[in-house]
Amino acid sequence: DGGITQSPKYLFRKEGQNVTLSCEQNLNHDAMYWYRQDPGQGLRLIYYSQIVNDFQKGDIAEGYSVSREKKESFPLTVTSAQKNPTAFYLCASSIENEQYFGPGTRLTVT
Amino acid sequence: GQQLNQSPQSMFIQEGEDVSMNCTSSSIFNTWLWYKQDPGEGPVLLIALYKAGELTSNGRLTAQFGITRKDSFLNISASIPSDVGIYFCAGQLSGGTSYGKLTFGQGTILTVHP
Repeated sequence: DGGITQSPKYLFRKEGQNVTLSCEQNLNHDAMYWYRQDPGQGLRLIYYSQIVNDFQKGDIAEGYSVSREKKESFPLTVTSAQKNPTAFYLCASSIENEQYFGPGTRLTVT
Repeated sequence: GQQLNQSPQSMFIQEGEDVSMNCTSSSIFNTWLWYKQDPGEGPVLLIALYKAGELTSNGRLTAQFGITRKDSFLNISASIPSDVGIYFCAGQLSGGTSYGKLTFGQGTILTVHP
């Protein structure tokens, strides 16, 4: 059963802690993406990777970091430097120009 | 970054009515995509358009790639309660450096009253 998985669905952290969000895909897609969605808003691109061991900053990369050591995996770390980390985080992968999304992780930082 | 103007922002309709929404931009796009997002879930791809003037259907959904390549339209016919959700347009800008990256509209929130 092919798809994109994100875990966990809900994540709670204390302010000042780094937290890593998981994203795995078994679709054999080369490109992967991380987006942030705030209530009532659209999707904003954080980081993207077009190939293993390579990634680029998106529109709102400050306070985030990523790695792409394997084709299947693209974890996102939300660092303590991110001023407003509470949000819904979406991972996607793409074939040609069509992006397919995971179910999302809702991160709450207090 | 580049933004798409998606309208309307929200719609409240009766079950059975048809729905229309659109996205416009000042830039040329070479791909238009339409997604639906249910609350607390990731967006699901509904329709992908690749050619100017292309008209594509997926069940009760029909989308068109505008002739100018700067806009796209989505129509839903005979709406049902499960059509409720947020609909996003997304486009890929024409140009080599933007390969794979999408620009998203702000979304249209659709509410269907039984």
